[in-house]
Parts: sequence; structure tokens; C-alpha cells
Amino acid sequence: AQTVTQSQPEMSVQEAETVTLSCTYDTSENNYYLFWYKQPPSRQMILVIRQEAYKQQNATENRFSVNFQKAAKSFSLKISDSQLGDTAMYFCAGGTSYGKLTFGQGTILTVHP
Amino acid sequence: ETGVTQSPTHLIKTRGQQVTLRCSSQSGHNTVSWYQQALGQGPQFIFQYYREEENGRGNFPPRFSGLQFPNYSSELNVNALELDDSALYLCASSFLTSGSKSHEQYFGPGTRLTVT
Repeated sequence: AQTVTQSQPEMSVQEAETVTLSCTYDTSENNYYLFWYKQPPSRQMILVIRQEAYKQQNATENRFSVNFQKAAKSFSLKISDSQLGDTAMYFCAGGTSYGKLTFGQGTILTVHP
Repeated sequence: ETGVTQSPTHLIKTRGQQVTLRCSSQSGHNTVSWYQQALGQGPQFIFQYYREEENGRGNFPPRFSGLQFPNYSSELNVNALELDDSALYLCASSFLTSGSKSHEQYFGPGTRLTVT
């Protein structure tokens, strides 16, 4: 079984600044993956970044990076140099065996000009 | 490379009716997963199809059923529609091999189902 919790329903940030979205999870699996997905108002779910649990190095994709704390079961997303196009709902998700994804409740991020 | 597509975009049905939603997987992918996303919530896993067979199921009743075809496209069927079935239904495709664990899933734009 796996649970994913996002405790920030809404966040806002000024354009060009940095914001961090929080996520905690619980799992009974030994091998698992963690993901951040972005869902703009157009509703298409877009993969932002993934982290393999067996890798200690935090994943980075351009302006997006994660802080993966395995012992604390924490997986936060940092967005640097925020852009207006980053405005969206962000979901943290855990991947279990055979690829079932368990999603958190989501965080609405608004980037202000 | 063709992305994941879903049809129809929107659908309105009456309680008690049946509905079929369709999904075409991304080229090169062999696995399709279906999710239900209620308004303002995270998606909930319904089931996954791999090699034309159900490969895992979430906490959904049997009136939610599916199919996967040889070209890896998939259908989600819901019988005896209830008001609570109103949601965005997302299809996601991925490439799975025997014994592999979690992998990226790529989502389609979804079908918005309204049950009145």
C-alpha cells in the first residue's frame, strides 16, 4: 500500500523567484519511483520530474529539482526562476509495482507577474 | 511520435446508462492505465492493461471494466452510471516489460464525463 500527502493546497510565487512544493509519502515497497506531474487548466497531465528511490542523487530537470529524503519519506519539488507558464496544479505521485501511480491531493501554484 | 489521445472530449450521460471511453496509447508503448479524477482531487487508479489483460486494479466496482486491443489501444466501460461517476477520466500509456517496476506514464487529455 502507498499513500502520498501534499499539505499545501495553494501556493503563490512572484515571477523569477523560487518556490518549493512539499510532499510526503509512505510505502511498503522497497523499489519505487516518485514523480511530480503538472496539470495546467488545459487539464493535460505533464510529467515534470522523476526520482528513483534507490538513487541517492536528487533529480534535476532544468529549472526543476527535487529534494528526496528517503528516511524522512519526503519528496519536495523546487522550481527556480518561476515563469507564468508554471501556473498549474502540481501532483506528487508514487509508483508501485506494475506501475500503478498513487497521487497526492495536489497543490495549486500561481505565478504572479 | 504520436502522443496519447482520448475520445470523446466531453460526454453527458443519464444515471443508469452505460458509457465507453477510448484511448490510443503513445507509439511504442504497450501498457494503458486508467484513472478517475474528481474535481479538485488527484487522480485515482482504476486499472491497468498489459498484453491485453488486466494487470492490476484499484478500488473500483466491477461495473468499471476495460479492454486492450492488439494495437495497445484501450477502452474503459462503465455500466449503470451513478452521479458520483461524474469526473475527468484520464488514460496513461507506458512501456512495461516483465519484472519491471515503476516507470513513467504519459497522460492523454482526458474525457470529461457528466452524469445527470
